[in-house]
Amino acid sequence: GAGVSQTPSNKVTEKGKYVELRCDPISGHTALYWYRQSLGQGPEFLIYFQGTGAADDSGLPNDRFFAVRPEGSVSTLKIQRTERGDSAVYLCASSLRMGPIYFGEGSWLTVV
Amino acid sequence: KQEVTQIPAALSVPEGENLVLNCSFTDSAIYNLQWFRQDPGKGLTSLLLIQSSQREQTSGRLNASLDKSSGRSTLYIAASQPGDSATYLCAVRRTGANSKLTFGKGITLSVRP
Repeated sequence: GAGVSQTPSNKVTEKGKYVELRCDPISGHTALYWYRQSLGQGPEFLIYFQGTGAADDSGLPNDRFFAVRPEGSVSTLKIQRTERGDSAVYLCASSLRMGPIYFGEGSWLTVV
Repeated sequence: KQEVTQIPAALSVPEGENLVLNCSFTDSAIYNLQWFRQDPGKGLTSLLLIQSSQREQTSGRLNASLDKSSGRSTLYIAASQPGDSATYLCAVRRTGANSKLTFGKGITLSVRP
C-alpha cells in the first residue's frame, strides 16, 4: 500500500481481555517498529523488527506484550490480560533499513 | 541512555511570524534526526530527516538544522500559518545495529489568525 496501515483504528476492550493490533507496513520496507504513545507524551519504543526477527524488544513493558512478523511483512502486536494502564495509542512505523521512518495513523486502545 | 528534550511544551504565535522550535539530545552518537508533525488524534507525519553528516535540510517553509557536537537541532518555520498548528516532535536514531528512534515529548504550536 501507499502508507503504513493499522487496524483496528479504535478498540475498546474490557480489563483482562486479549487484544491483537495489526500493522501492514509500506511495501518493501524491511524494518518495522511498534511504539506506544500516551496523552501529552512522545512515542515510547516497544519493539523493532528487521525482516522476520525481533532485533530489539527491549521496550516491551512485560510478558503480557508480544509481537510477531512471521513473513517479514505484516506484524501483529498481542496484549494479554489487558489492564487499564495499557490504554494508549499504539503506533506502527516502517522504513528501509536506515532511511526515514514512516508512521501509520495508530490504533487507539481503551481498556475499561 | 539517550534523552531528547523539547522546550517549551507549548507555544502560541500570531500568524505570519517566523519561529524556531528547539530540540536537544544527550548522546551525540546519532545516525540521524527526524522531525515529525502530529495533528490531534492522528499519527506522525515525517517533515525532515537530517543525517549526522549534514548541517541542515529544507522543505518549503521548513528548515531543520543539526549541531551534533552540542546535541541540538532546530526547526525553523517561516511565515507561520494557522494550518501549521500541531504538535512537533523530534526524534534521534542512534548509530549501530539498534535502529530505534528516541522521541522528545513534542512542542504544541498554536498559530493565531
